Amino acid sequence: EDQVTQSPEALRLQEGESSSLNCSYTVSGLRGLFWYRQDPGKGPEFLFTLYSAGEEKEKERLKATLTKKESFLHITAPKPEDSATYLCAVRAYDYKLSFGAGTTVTVRA
Amino acid sequence: SAVISQKPSRDICQRGTSLTIQCQVDSQVTMMFWYRQQPGQSLTLIATANQGSEATYESGFVIDKFPISRPNLTFSTLTVSNMSPEDSSIYLCSVDSRGSNTEAFFGQGTRLTVV
Repeated sequence: EDQVTQSPEALRLQEGESSSLNCSYTVSGLRGLFWYRQDPGKGPEFLFTLYSAGEEKEKERLKATLTKKESFLHITAPKPEDSATYLCAVRAYDYKLSFGAGTTVTVRA
Repeated sequence: SAVISQKPSRDICQRGTSLTIQCQVDSQVTMMFWYRQQPGQSLTLIATANQGSEATYESGFVIDKFPISRPNLTFSTLTVSNMSPEDSSIYLCSVDSRGSNTEAFFGQGTRLTVV
């Protein structure tokens, strides 16, 4: 069975304090790993797609990396507006998406 | 990216009643998906809405409880039937961006509270 585990569950950061979120996965035939941002009361907002080990994607203060067993979302010098829940999802050989439980990030000014 | 509109954005319903959620996409898509997000939890796929055929339900979800319609390539509805407080969740409509191995896009969700 496909499994996606995110850690930590919650992360409290001071503004400017860089950190990383982890997504470890077990999947039959990875067809893509995806990162989303979800604000309270809203649907997930797409951030990145990663397809193969060694791949990296960047967008503003966020950088996503992928290995054969896990992905990291690095937040560099975060600002309060980066506060959100970050979700990781994998797409397996059957093309279905499996989501992790998410990491809730709070950035204090 | 696809623009997905869901209605209603939120509702408070009495137990035993039913609610139909609408999902409209701004472009034609082959498959549409319905997810449930229970409080404090992540997303769980309810079913895939197929145009021209019955929806495909995931384990633990049945058509009598969550009937789905897909009359055309841009629209779908999900009905939550005979509601109980355990159905209180966010319900999300989703489409794949360009193909079955690409990213998915989501509507803003419908927050349902059953009292």
